[in-house]
Amino acid sequence: NAGVTQTPKFQVLKTGQSMTLQCAQDMNHNSMYWYRQDPGMGLRLIYYSASEGTTDKGEVPNGYNVSRLNKREFSLRLESAAPSQTSVYFCASSDRRTGGDTQYFGPGTRLTVL
Amino acid sequence: RKEVEQDPGPFNVPEGATVAFNCTYSNSASQSFFWYRQDCRKEPKLLMSVYSSGNEDGRFTAQLNRASQYISLLIRDSKLSDSATYLCVVRESNFNKFYFGSGTKLNVKP
Repeated sequence: NAGVTQTPKFQVLKTGQSMTLQCAQDMNHNSMYWYRQDPGMGLRLIYYSASEGTTDKGEVPNGYNVSRLNKREFSLRLESAAPSQTSVYFCASSDRRTGGDTQYFGPGTRLTVL
Repeated sequence: RKEVEQDPGPFNVPEGATVAFNCTYSNSASQSFFWYRQDCRKEPKLLMSVYSSGNEDGRFTAQLNRASQYISLLIRDSKLSDSATYLCVVRESNFNKFYFGSGTKLNVKP
């Protein structure tokens, strides 16, 4: 099993450009999450999806949109990138029925907005 | 006020030392507690869950004090390979929201 995969690994954008970060998990987990991590700070929740077909805002949703395409995939879109969105983005999944509360993370996407 | 607070360190310790990290959380209704480990430029990985009765996994011991809203992690006989950032994580009563501390950096020196 690959676990949680994310693409791309690195991205540089200019202010105002848009892009979509992709995330997929092969563990049949119901819940998926998008976090951002800035230097010296913990992970902050952007959006989460408790199950296929549902999404909810986290702590820092402004400037982002998400799509839970199916049970496996959860994408994060930046419609008009800003320098403040320069960060490392992690996707995670979990399933209380099978894995308890453990969250499994993807390797991250390092995004720079110029 | 942050949901989860940790001493950022760094903690610089020699091999073989015992080191303890602390974490406090603000929401008394929090349900589950964890320590994650994050290596430089890598994703976080679960180190251990923290139970009310305390739990141990090899050289690692975690404790929870619900009355004081305090979580601790003790590492005995530190190894070079323990060098990492340790993240304290709390799950709210809403299963889907996890809050992360900013992490405590540990450097174990030869």
